[in-house]
Amino acid sequence: EDKVVQSPLSLVVHEGDTVTLNCSYEVTNFRSLLWYKQEKKAPTFLFMLTSSGIEKKSGRLSSILDKKELFSILNITATQTGDSAIYLCAVAGADSWGKFQFGAGTQVVVTP
Amino acid sequence: KAGVTQTPRYLIKTRGQQVTLSCSPISGHRSVSWYQQTPGQGLQFLFEYFSETQRNKGNFPGRFSGRQFSNSRSEMNVSTLELGDSALYLCASSAGTSGVNEQFFGPGTRLTVL
Repeated sequence: EDKVVQSPLSLVVHEGDTVTLNCSYEVTNFRSLLWYKQEKKAPTFLFMLTSSGIEKKSGRLSSILDKKELFSILNITATQTGDSAIYLCAVAGADSWGKFQFGAGTQVVVTP
Repeated sequence: KAGVTQTPRYLIKTRGQQVTLSCSPISGHRSVSWYQQTPGQGLQFLFEYFSETQRNKGNFPGRFSGRQFSNSRSEMNVSTLELGDSALYLCASSAGTSGVNEQFFGPGTRLTVL
């Protein structure tokens, strides 16, 4: 069965710090890995990664995938209080047909 | 483009009742996936529909069912509600190719079973 483990489970940082979130996975015939941000509502899509070593970047957020070591990293630089949220990682295999396996998430709290 | 819409946003039911939730995907998207989110179990996959056909199903009892209409709108039904069915029910819309399309979530339906 597909498995996604996120670490750490939670962390507290000060505004301006850099945060690195980890997502390791096991999935049959890997096709893609997604990152989401969830505040007190539905998850918001951040990135989709399918190829190793190609960094996806959006503003202060970036992410990279290592298909050999089966993990992904999400980086947030110059954190702001608005970055406080749960960050979710999800993976899908070739025959997933709409099913993404989600990790438990990492709770990030950014203090002023 | 309008995003994914879900109705109703909040529901309160009592044990034994049944409930129907609705989801309209992003225009042009033909795949709708349903997830249950609870504090203890996180996001768990219920089922996925594409062109009115269920292509995938998670490990939920038969009380959970769904369907999709020709306009890609989807409904899920939960019969004989139990207290443990209290959760945020999310639907996600995608173009539908297995494993390589982003899924975009709707705002969710918060179901409370008393």
